[in-house]
Amino acid sequence: KAGVTQTPRYLIKTRGQQVTLSCSPISGHRSVSWYQQTPGQGLQFLFEYFSETQRNKGNFPGRFSGRQFSNSRSEMNVSTLELGDSALYLCASSLGTIAGVSGDTQYFGPGTRLTVL
Amino acid sequence: AQSVTQPDIHITVSEGASLELRCNYSYGATPYLFWYVQSPGQGLQLLLKYFSGDTLVQGIKGFEAEFKRSQSSFNLRKPSVHWSDAAEYFCAVGARSGSSNTGKLIFGQGTTLQVKP
Repeated sequence: KAGVTQTPRYLIKTRGQQVTLSCSPISGHRSVSWYQQTPGQGLQFLFEYFSETQRNKGNFPGRFSGRQFSNSRSEMNVSTLELGDSALYLCASSLGTIAGVSGDTQYFGPGTRLTVL
Repeated sequence: AQSVTQPDIHITVSEGASLELRCNYSYGATPYLFWYVQSPGQGLQLLLKYFSGDTLVQGIKGFEAEFKRSQSSFNLRKPSVHWSDAAEYFCAVGARSGSSNTGKLIFGQGTTLQVKP
């Protein structure tokens, strides 16, 4: 099975712009979670989607948003970019439908490295 | 509050020596516990997980971890380290499906492992 894929792998934007990142989960996985990784704050949870619905959200401003499509692919959007948004953005997928070992294990993609100038 | 603490930011061991990375967690309910490894510029790879049952779990690459409920710990061990094990290691806790925190992993700050030849 193919793993989680994320596109693009690298992005350079300037302050004030907006950006959209894409994540394709492992086939059959219906839950997608997004994380931001920075040297200062570490790995922080952004939000989680399951069956096109946001089920959980972290403590990020409203500039960070996401959505999930019927094929479970997910996008996240950051509007009005700030320098502090420079980070590695990781997406993870899980089955989400079965409680326990199989359902709740998250598998990560390679990430999108966003640089804001 | 839910949290994960990895007390050691950086550890250096000689190749062939044993390794133990510490992880302590604070979580209201019985958590799911994970160890992930990240090589520079890459995503997170799952090493092992604990959901229930036997408190000693085996993972990939010769790693194992022991869950100790009384100490709220989930330490990662390897009997003999290889140079290719040099990477950053993250301990994480997650919620069971159906809880309000479904899909959200809380990570420790990570431990960077350096392997001396």
